[in-house]
Amino acid sequence: EAQVTQNPRYLITVTGKKLTVTCSQNMNHEYMSWYRQDPGLGLRQIYYSMNVEVTDKGDVPEGYKVSRKEKRNFPLILESPSPNQTSLYFCASSLFRQNTEAFFGQGTRLTVV
Amino acid sequence: GQQVMQIPQYQHVQEGEDFTTYCNSSTTLSNIQWYKQRPGGHPVFLIQLVKSGEVKKQKRLTFQFGEAKKNSSLHITATQTTDVGTYFCAGRGSNYKLTFGKGTLLTVNP
Repeated sequence: EAQVTQNPRYLITVTGKKLTVTCSQNMNHEYMSWYRQDPGLGLRQIYYSMNVEVTDKGDVPEGYKVSRKEKRNFPLILESPSPNQTSLYFCASSLFRQNTEAFFGQGTRLTVV
Repeated sequence: GQQVMQIPQYQHVQEGEDFTTYCNSSTTLSNIQWYKQRPGGHPVFLIQLVKSGEVKKQKRLTFQFGEAKKNSSLHITATQTTDVGTYFCAGRGSNYKLTFGKGTLLTVNP
């Protein structure tokens, strides 16, 4: 089954404790991206990757890191989480073509206390 | 940078009433996509519009892309409780980036 898998689904952590949210897709998609969803703000892109070893900042990259060492995986790293990073996070993937849809993971609800 | 505005932010309707959400982009788009997110779920692709003036239908849903390829709308006829959720438009620019509107949360009173 074609899918994007995120882990964990839920996470409560403390300020400053490094964490990684994993994202994996099995569709051989070149393009992957991370979004955060906050009430009233919609989906905002954090980082994206057009292929292996190619990553770039989205609209709200501060406080986040990513890596793309393999085509299928695109982890999101929070080196020192802060409460303002409490949010619902989605990973998405798509083919790197103009007329193609994005597939989203199930989401990770992160709470930083 | 590219911005996509979506209105209204919320819409509450009685079951059987119609519903429309509108999107406007600050720049001309290569295409526009629509997604639905059920409560507690993740965005799921509904449809893509590519051509100027394009109209597509999916059962009770009608999607339109403006002549200038800067605006779009989603119209639901005779809403049902299964239509509940947040509807997002997403515009793709020439740089491939997909920019999402803030979404319209639709609630339906049975």
